Amino acid sequence: DTGVSQDPRHKITKRGQNVTFRCDPISEHNRLYWYRQTLGQGPEFLTYFQNEAQLEKSRLLSDRFSAERPKGSFSTLEIQRTEQGDSAMYLCASSPGLAEETQYFGPGTRLLVL
Amino acid sequence: QKEVEQDPGPLSVPEGAIVSLNCTYSNSAFQYFMWYRQYSRKGPELLMYTYSSGNKEDGRFTAQVDKSSKYISLFIRDSQPSDSATYLCAMSRQGAQKLVFGQGTRLTINP
Repeated sequence: DTGVSQDPRHKITKRGQNVTFRCDPISEHNRLYWYRQTLGQGPEFLTYFQNEAQLEKSRLLSDRFSAERPKGSFSTLEIQRTEQGDSAMYLCASSPGLAEETQYFGPGTRLLVL
Repeated sequence: QKEVEQDPGPLSVPEGAIVSLNCTYSNSAFQYFMWYRQYSRKGPELLMYTYSSGNKEDGRFTAQVDKSSKYISLFIRDSQPSDSATYLCAMSRQGAQKLVFGQGTRLTINP
């Protein structure tokens, strides 16, 4: 399978705990994106990377959220001191980084904060 | 007001019907328009991608963009039960990397 992969697929945690999600983009895709999707809503942009550089962050990305893409390949999204409002599907997408803006999404990580 | 408006449905039609899904938007700077299909508890899957105004056809799917009205549509011909999913419209500005999504329309095709 050469699509975007995400790990874990599901995560249940207690309020106040830290969680980390991983995304592996499509091979040779330079751009990587994180989105958050709550029930009944469309995905909302969180942040994106061009290779290893984080170039844009949404206001949705509070101080408790941090994302990295250390070698321009896989990326991690960490949420510190989780809150119940963080419960959502966290989606990763990648694109070739050419003029075409098409983004290809992974299966998502579903987070439930108790 | 949201930048992209999409009727959440639900929309239920019989198998074989033509389905019309629509989105309106407020930002005239949007240049790229996409439709994604999302099955329950899965990630969005790209269906159609268009740049600026016009029509694009791919099999049973046709995407239309009318920038003068800030209105985009997706038509599904000969709908099948396997088309039952949530359909998300998405768009972006020239040079911008983030996609702005509609709320999604939940579609059910009844056999």
